[in-house]
Amino acid sequence: DAGVIQSPRHEVTEMGQEVTLRCKPISGHDYLFWYRQTMMRGLELLIYFNNNVPIDDSGMPEDRFSAKMPNASFSTLKIQPSEPRDSAVYFCASRNRVFGSGNTIYFGEGSWLTVV
Amino acid sequence: GENVEQHPSTLSVQEGDSAVIKCTYSDSASNYFPWYKQELGKRPQLIIDIRSNVGEKKDQRIAVTLNKTAKHFSLHITETQPEDSAVYFCAATLPKGYSTLTFGKGTMLLVSP
Repeated sequence: DAGVIQSPRHEVTEMGQEVTLRCKPISGHDYLFWYRQTMMRGLELLIYFNNNVPIDDSGMPEDRFSAKMPNASFSTLKIQPSEPRDSAVYFCASRNRVFGSGNTIYFGEGSWLTVV
Repeated sequence: GENVEQHPSTLSVQEGDSAVIKCTYSDSASNYFPWYKQELGKRPQLIIDIRSNVGEKKDQRIAVTLNKTAKHFSLHITETQPEDSAVYFCAATLPKGYSTLTFGKGTMLLVSP
């Protein structure tokens, strides 16, 4: 399996522009997560889906952020309009139904976002 | 609240020494505790995990111990090597349905030759 696939890997955009990050989870995984990583706040959970349905979006910082999962193999995280404080690494991750013995959350390579 | 505290934030050791990183968690019902290693510019990757019905688990030079009563767990790395240098994150299942993980803030481990 190719693992969790994210695109773009790097994006530099101007303040006010719309940013769309994309993710393909590992085939067969029921859960998909979006995390944000910054030096100050570490790894923060933004939102997660189970069987394509959003379960908990309490980590989404504000209305400028939205996420969708139209099918089991694709999800997007959108920021509109983007601001410099959104600069971070955004990780998509997925997992199987049960935690334990190596069956855990698997991360993609991340999307490095810089908003100038 | 739902959090995981991790210490120390940075750790410097000489090659061959042991390294220990400690985490505490707040929810006594948390039942799964993985450790991730993140090299510079890379993704976090699982290195070892433990479930709440086990007190210790080993995999070559790394081991994890869990004390459910005290709600803390630790990562032990023996005979450290320069390639062990990375940021290490502990995590625990969240009480919200236990479907996801909350992460500690990370420990930057530097192993000097």
